[in-house]
Amino acid sequence: QKEVEQDPGPLSVPEGAIVSLNCTYSNSAFQYFMWYRQYSRKGPELLMYTYSSGNKEDGRFTAQVDKSSKYISLFIRDSQPSDSATYLCAMSPRRDDKIIFGKGTRLHILP
Amino acid sequence: DVKVTQSSRYLVKRTGEKVFLECVQDMDHENMFWYRQDPGLGLRLIYFSYDVKMKEKGDIPEGYSVSREKKERFSLILESASTNQTSMYLCASSLLQGRETQYFGPGTRLLVL
Repeated sequence: QKEVEQDPGPLSVPEGAIVSLNCTYSNSAFQYFMWYRQYSRKGPELLMYTYSSGNKEDGRFTAQVDKSSKYISLFIRDSQPSDSATYLCAMSPRRDDKIIFGKGTRLHILP
Repeated sequence: DVKVTQSSRYLVKRTGEKVFLECVQDMDHENMFWYRQDPGLGLRLIYFSYDVKMKEKGDIPEGYSVSREKKERFSLILESASTNQTSMYLCASSLLQGRETQYFGPGTRLLVL
């Protein structure tokens, strides 16, 4: 079983829709969970960062962690064409430990 | 604003050449990382450094070496470039106690012919 699994997509949704992006993981020691956004031909940028379980909201973005199910989600409300990018989940057991990245989901928001 | 810069956006080299990729960060971060990113394989860690002159191997160090002589600069060296090293190379940095929040550079797309 891979340590972090993420559907590569592409996921195409109409503008204004709610987008749900997900990752599953196998290592129960993970406590730090991140979402990175990567535009084409650019480096990833940190979008959301969550410690342990629960929800975190930042504008149109909500990150959700369910440690009991080993499942994390990123929700994008009122999606815009500018949200079209690859979204990478990432996680780590400790702040000073190695980060494990998912392979990314390509998202297309259709105008 | 935080900034990680990489010396080249695009690079074309020939098999057997020695290749230097440079990365500079202006955030006074202790940790610096080199990744390669390939379709279907995602981000793979090549090397990282947690202090000047300190380095540790990542998941795929073979064929690569690194140098960190100054805190702000981390270099990736391909000793003898091969076609299977054609890839997107990404540099990142983070605080010592905060590897989870890594700041990435724009990447160098390397083509080895």
